[in-house]
Amino acid sequence: AQTVTQSQPEMSVQEAETVTLSCTYDTSENNYYLFWYKQPPSRQMILVIRQEAYKQQNATENRFSVNFQKAAKSFSLKISDSQLGDTAMYFCAFMNLGTDKLIFGTGTRLQVFP
Amino acid sequence: GAVVSQHPSWVICKSGTSVKIECRSLDFQATTMFWYRQFPKQSLMLMATSNEGSKATYEQGVEKDKFLINHASLTLSTLTVTSAHPEDSSFYICSARAGLAGEESYNEQFFGPGTRLTVL
Repeated sequence: AQTVTQSQPEMSVQEAETVTLSCTYDTSENNYYLFWYKQPPSRQMILVIRQEAYKQQNATENRFSVNFQKAAKSFSLKISDSQLGDTAMYFCAFMNLGTDKLIFGTGTRLQVFP
Repeated sequence: GAVVSQHPSWVICKSGTSVKIECRSLDFQATTMFWYRQFPKQSLMLMATSNEGSKATYEQGVEKDKFLINHASLTLSTLTVTSAHPEDSSFYICSARAGLAGEESYNEQFFGPGTRLTVL
């Protein structure tokens, strides 16, 4: 069974600084997707970024980028130039292409302070 | 982007009653919809997967007779919590998947805003 581990329950960062959230996963599959979702206080899940396992290049979306290490089964999220609006819970998620199910990590609560 | 709505956003009911939660894809046809449950300060746990016109597939440990899922059309799925009890109080979130196998959008799920259920 696949598992997703986020070892940082809480993180904090000052506005305009950079922060990295960690995520590791366990799978025996070769074809899968990895995602980072943001859940602000409104509790609406928002897709931040996704990575296809077959792509070696790390995904980037504006201030958000990932460091995907397939051999190490690591998928960290880097947020550059942090903004107050980035304050939220961040969930790392895994999807096996065979099952189409999203498996979520336990989340990291990120607080951005002025 | 694709929009998914849920109704109601918050419901309070008495123990023993049934509650229906609707999940709608507003601007796309959802081939598959998913139902999740989220306890306070915890992660999302998949309850079931529903495909339009067929029976839902429930995850291990989820009572199918208690959590009835109907996916009657490509834009609507409903979750009915039958004979609700206080332990069913939780945040229920649906997601919908657009596109067909092989399309770029196929592996992305769009989430609804969630429904908070409180059973007294």
